[in-house]
Amino acid sequence: KQEVTQIPAALSVPEGENLVLNCSFTDSAIYNLQWFRQDPGKGLTSLLLIQSSQREQTSGRLNASLDKSSGRSTLYIAASQPGDSATYLCAVRQLGYSTLTFGKGTMLLVSP
Amino acid sequence: GAVVSQHPSRVICKSGTSVKIECRSLDFQATTMFWYRQFPKQSLMLMATSNEGSKATYEQGVEKDKFLINHASLTLSTLTVTSAHPEDSSFYICSARGGGARGDTQYFGPGTRLTVL
Repeated sequence: KQEVTQIPAALSVPEGENLVLNCSFTDSAIYNLQWFRQDPGKGLTSLLLIQSSQREQTSGRLNASLDKSSGRSTLYIAASQPGDSATYLCAVRQLGYSTLTFGKGTMLLVSP
Repeated sequence: GAVVSQHPSRVICKSGTSVKIECRSLDFQATTMFWYRQFPKQSLMLMATSNEGSKATYEQGVEKDKFLINHASLTLSTLTVTSAHPEDSSFYICSARGGGARGDTQYFGPGTRLTVL
């Protein structure tokens, strides 16, 4: 059974810092991996989706990498802003399945 | 990006009543919809997967008679919590996937906060 772990569980940084969020998964037979953002009491916003054949995806200040063989993904946020404060969730879709397995998330707080 | 709506956003009900939550894909046809629940500070737990016109596939441990899912059209799925109890209080989130040009991305609704008194 696929398990997804996110480290750290919480992170607090001052505005302007670059930061890295980590996601690991136990079964490397994945179809894709997706990073989401969730604001308190809200739904999920998809940030980046990386297919299993890809190594990274970029969108603005966000860069997500994927190392399928080692079961790891990172989300890099450049020049963090207070508006980036949210919980970031990593989710994996396994080969042959249509469902996603989520990590517990990293709660990020960027202080002005 | 694609838009998925949920209604209501928040509902408070008495124990023993049934509550229906709607999930709509507003600008694409969703061949597959998913229902999740999320407890405070926990991750999303998949409850069931539904394909338009067929019965939902429930995850292990989810009571299909308690959580009724209907995916009657390509833009609408409903989750009915029957005879709700306080332990059913949670945040329920749906997602939709259209395939085709929209690929494999799941688009999530804003969630419904259910509180059972």
